[in-house]
Amino acid sequence: AQSVTQLGSHVSVSEGALVLLRCNYSSSVPPYLFWYVQYPNQGLQLLLKYTTGATLVKGINGFEAEFKKSETSFHLTKPSAHMSDAAEYFCAVSYGGATNKLIFGTGTLLAVQP
Amino acid sequence: DTGVSQNPRHKITKRGQNVTFRCDPISEHNRLYWYRQTLGQGPEFLTYFQNEAQLEKSRLLSDRFSAERPKGSFSTLEIQRTEQGDSAMYLCASSNGPLRDRGKETQYFGPGTRLLVL
Repeated sequence: AQSVTQLGSHVSVSEGALVLLRCNYSSSVPPYLFWYVQYPNQGLQLLLKYTTGATLVKGINGFEAEFKKSETSFHLTKPSAHMSDAAEYFCAVSYGGATNKLIFGTGTLLAVQP
Repeated sequence: DTGVSQNPRHKITKRGQNVTFRCDPISEHNRLYWYRQTLGQGPEFLTYFQNEAQLEKSRLLSDRFSAERPKGSFSTLEIQRTEQGDSAMYLCASSNGPLRDRGKETQYFGPGTRLLVL
């Protein structure tokens, strides 16, 4: 079955430090890849997505992610963390088709220390 | 564009009661999804509508769950005879786009309805 793995349910960084959130997918067919962010008591907001083309994708709020097919990975990075980045981050995949439903990872809660 | 809205935002009910949630998608979005998110987990797909037609239901959607989208606009999700295991955040999302390259679509999520079954 297709699945998404996010290593590290909790990640803590200092303000100004590099943010690295990991995401791996399991399928022989490369999916479409998404990162969503969820702030407390809010819905999910799209950060960025990879569909085709350039494998390094830039998103909102200074985040970017690189699709590596050989590693079946789509890790999310930000060079310098800000306090406002504290939230839960979800990696998701879809395979198109009639439904195009999203399959989510279990999420990574990012804490940013002052 | 007011985004996806969901009502109520919070619902507390007693086991055995029926509850109904409403989702208003972004206007002109013909595709609508329901997901369920339990504590410590990512959202899980429940069901999908294209216009008014319900095209897919997850095995998570037991017989106690029913969803409708009359006239292809807002959608309702009803849970009958609620159980404590139904406690979760219920998220609605909508999207639009050409039939080709569906995978490139962005699903826009509402703020969710948090259900607590006592």
